[in-house]
Amino acid sequence: DAGVIQSPRHEVTEMGQEVTLRCKPISGHNSLFWYRQTMMRGLELLIYFNNNVPIDDSGMPEDRFSAKMPNASFSTLKIQPSEPRDSAVYFCASSSTTGGNTEAFFGQGTRLTVV
Amino acid sequence: AQSVTQLGSHVSVSEGALVLLRCNYSSSVPPYLFWYVQYPNQGLQLLLKYTSAATLVKGINGFEAEFKKSETSFHLTKPSAHMSDAAEYFCAVSPGSGGFKTIFGAGTRLFVKA
Repeated sequence: DAGVIQSPRHEVTEMGQEVTLRCKPISGHNSLFWYRQTMMRGLELLIYFNNNVPIDDSGMPEDRFSAKMPNASFSTLKIQPSEPRDSAVYFCASSSTTGGNTEAFFGQGTRLTVV
Repeated sequence: AQSVTQLGSHVSVSEGALVLLRCNYSSSVPPYLFWYVQYPNQGLQLLLKYTSAATLVKGINGFEAEFKKSETSFHLTKPSAHMSDAAEYFCAVSPGSGGFKTIFGAGTRLFVKA
């Protein structure tokens, strides 16, 4: 398996624009997580899905953020409208919870810069 | 509820010296515990994990960690630091069963001096 695949790796956008980050989890994994990493706040869990269903979105900072998982092999994190303070590295991770939790496997991240 | 506390945001050691990165956790259910490493501009990679089997867990790159329930600790050690160990290290906790949320500590950046 190629691991968790995120796209794009880098995104530069202007304030007010819509940004969509994409994630393909590892095949067979049934949990998917979106994290945001900044120098100030460290690694924050934004939302996680289990079997394509959002379980906990309490980490989503504002209504400008939304995430979907239409099927087991694809998820998106959308920011609309984007703001400079959204600049961060966004990670997607997946894991299998069958038979007990296993470790999360991380993608390479998307570095978002909002100017 | 679960939480993780990593003591020390920065640790500096000399090459060849002992590495000790501290992690304390709280969990209302038997936990699974993990250590991850992050190299610059990369995602997190698993170093090792504790899943209620042996309390001393060996991982990759010569790292190991010991689960101590009485101290609610899961400290990461390596007998002899190498320059390539310089990175950020994250301790994480998740419920052993019945839940899916993995909580990460704030991270400890390890510096290795020549």
